[in-house]
Amino acid sequence: QVQLQQSGPGLVKPSQTLSLTCVISGDSVSRNSIAWNWIRQSPSRGLEWLGVTYYTSQWINVYAESVESRISINPDTSKNQFSLQLNSVTPEDTAVYFCGRGSYRAVDVWGQGTTVTVSS
Amino acid sequence: DIQMTQSPSSVSASVGDRVTITCRASQDISTWLAWYQQKPGKAPRPLIYAASTLQSGVPSRFSGSGSGTDFTLTISSLQPEDFATYYCQQGNSFPRFTFGGGTKVEIK
Repeated sequence: QVQLQQSGPGLVKPSQTLSLTCVISGDSVSRNSIAWNWIRQSPSRGLEWLGVTYYTSQWINVYAESVESRISINPDTSKNQFSLQLNSVTPEDTAVYFCGRGSYRAVDVWGQGTTVTVSS
Repeated sequence: DIQMTQSPSSVSASVGDRVTITCRASQDISTWLAWYQQKPGKAPRPLIYAASTLQSGVPSRFSGSGSGTDFTLTISSLQPEDFATYYCQQGNSFPRFTFGGGTKVEIK
């Protein structure tokens, strides 16, 4: 049974960097054809896909245009996890953040969610 | 970008009712459509992928249909645990995903 366990701070100051980690159990971050996503949810934006990392003979990262200049998603094969970094955050980045496993072009396993508030 | 529009935004129904939710894509997405159920404070629960394939463990009262731009999620006989918000998601522009705005199923 695949499980995703998220960790990271729930409060980030404006202009700083939001950092979250998603630890994978029951699967491998480097398995071919599986995509590892970050998604967030807020009342104003609804469910918003942020980006993905996946391995297919090389590592591929793809990001949403809305955050492309500020985001980085990185796999860590030694710890079987992947991480999200979002730079220069503002209060508009306040949301619940989810990691998720992508399969058959859907998200079939979700992390528990992390509520992140951007405030001084 | 592909936009996903769900209707209605909310529906009131009783236990035992048949409920149908519609999702429309702004362009042809073949059958790359998924459905999720979400309850307050929880992560979305995957229900259906590829428009009509049930995820493992999902009750058979849930069904999905459609292709191209128009899709439906049907709950054949609403159960108390089905009161929740439902979202569609397109996977045609993989790896980029887009979600619908949600449909809240409320108790009548």
